[in-house]
Amino acid sequence: DSGVTQTPKHLITATGQRVTLRCSPRSGDLSVYWYQQSLDQGLQFLIQYYNGEERAKGNILERFSAQQFPDLHSELNLSSLELGDSALYFCASSVDWGNSGANVLTFGAGSRLTVL
Amino acid sequence: EDQVTQSPEALRLQEGESSSLNCSYTVSGLRGLFWYRQDPGKGPEFLFTLYSAGEEKEKERLKATLTKKESFLHITAPKPEDSATYLCAVQAGGNAGNMLTFGGGTRLMVKP
Repeated sequence: DSGVTQTPKHLITATGQRVTLRCSPRSGDLSVYWYQQSLDQGLQFLIQYYNGEERAKGNILERFSAQQFPDLHSELNLSSLELGDSALYFCASSVDWGNSGANVLTFGAGSRLTVL
Repeated sequence: EDQVTQSPEALRLQEGESSSLNCSYTVSGLRGLFWYRQDPGKGPEFLFTLYSAGEEKEKERLKATLTKKESFLHITAPKPEDSATYLCAVQAGGNAGNMLTFGGGTRLMVKP
């Protein structure tokens, strides 16, 4: 158990629907990151939140949004789902000491989304 | 734009047959180079962070090294339980946040 908790583990839905993925970071970690992993794309960075604020944005579609709450858990919202959104979605967290030193990201077990 | 390329994409070894995985990278100001292990259907598991050229780190049968352009993950006398996908990633300095940019991974299969 990495200490990063993601729910649900599996989700099957239909095209056009909306889903919410939830992530609880490791105790003490202030940053949360969302990644998408599909067979042909590898691990793609979507977005990072630090202590409730958006910190960095990657290749996140406009149909996707995220937020981090005061208790530091985060949610990734995926709307108007398409077949191509089927993937593993990972959340990671880190302490994030700002810009000094490298920060190790600890990953959760992922949420597998299947869009039919 | 930061880029990470891993080779080979897949590697089959016999148990005990040592080999190396390659990770080539370009990054604007390297803060750290990371190696992760990922088992099927699971999240990446942290192995090593390397910070500067010439640095080496070891863990059991794994040894990671770093130059200014690439990193190697050496696997000595591998066992079947070493079978997994090995991911390399870079973290850039500056104000780019602390996200990792990953390579495509090397899928390692060790046969008994």
